[in-house]
Amino acid sequence: EPEVTQTPSHQVTQMGQEVILRCVPISNHLYFYWYRQILGQKVEFLVSFYNNEISEKSEIFDDQFSVERPDGSNFTLKIRSTKLEDSAMYFCASSVMGGNIQYFGAGTRLSVL
Amino acid sequence: RKEVEQDPGPFNVPEGATVAFNCTYSNSASQSFFWYRQDCRKEPKLLMSVYSSGNEDGRFTAQLNRASQYISLLIRDSKLSDSATYLCVVTYNTDKLIFGTGTRLQVFP
Repeated sequence: EPEVTQTPSHQVTQMGQEVILRCVPISNHLYFYWYRQILGQKVEFLVSFYNNEISEKSEIFDDQFSVERPDGSNFTLKIRSTKLEDSAMYFCASSVMGGNIQYFGAGTRLSVL
Repeated sequence: RKEVEQDPGPFNVPEGATVAFNCTYSNSASQSFFWYRQDCRKEPKLLMSVYSSGNEDGRFTAQLNRASQYISLLIRDSKLSDSATYLCVVTYNTDKLIFGTGTRLQVFP
């Protein structure tokens, strides 16, 4: 069964450092998403991406965040200067079309020290 | 008022029991409704979509009441493997998923 894959599974970084979280969506999917979940809290939407541009972003997705699809398979989330409060599980998701079911990757646990 | 509200639980039930979870949403223009399941420290996985007429998938039954802005999930004949957090999810006029905080279920032998 096709799946969304995310790397690394766990990323530890120092405050102020840049991190890049990587995702490979399901191959025929066209819509891509990032969500995050702080430990013990709900899953929160960060950004949606279609046709090489951001379709929608939340208030959390400020200037420190960016997304990119550098090639035909990868979808990345960059955090330019990490803060302690960026520590969370980051989930990538993809769907065939907007409004269709979103399939989630296993997540990257980001720990900012 | 929270966009999606759920009783956090935990619900502790014996194997074979029937358990029901409820969820309310604040925006009457909500368009799509789902139940996701999340195991500890894992990704959310779609359990079922929820349709206006109600729908059933094996031991799971979902219902939607648009007038009351209320969604429910019924699990019959609970199994140990049903232990997880159940997430109520809605969308409005975009495909952004809006999650509730989840209801934790623990099924014991």
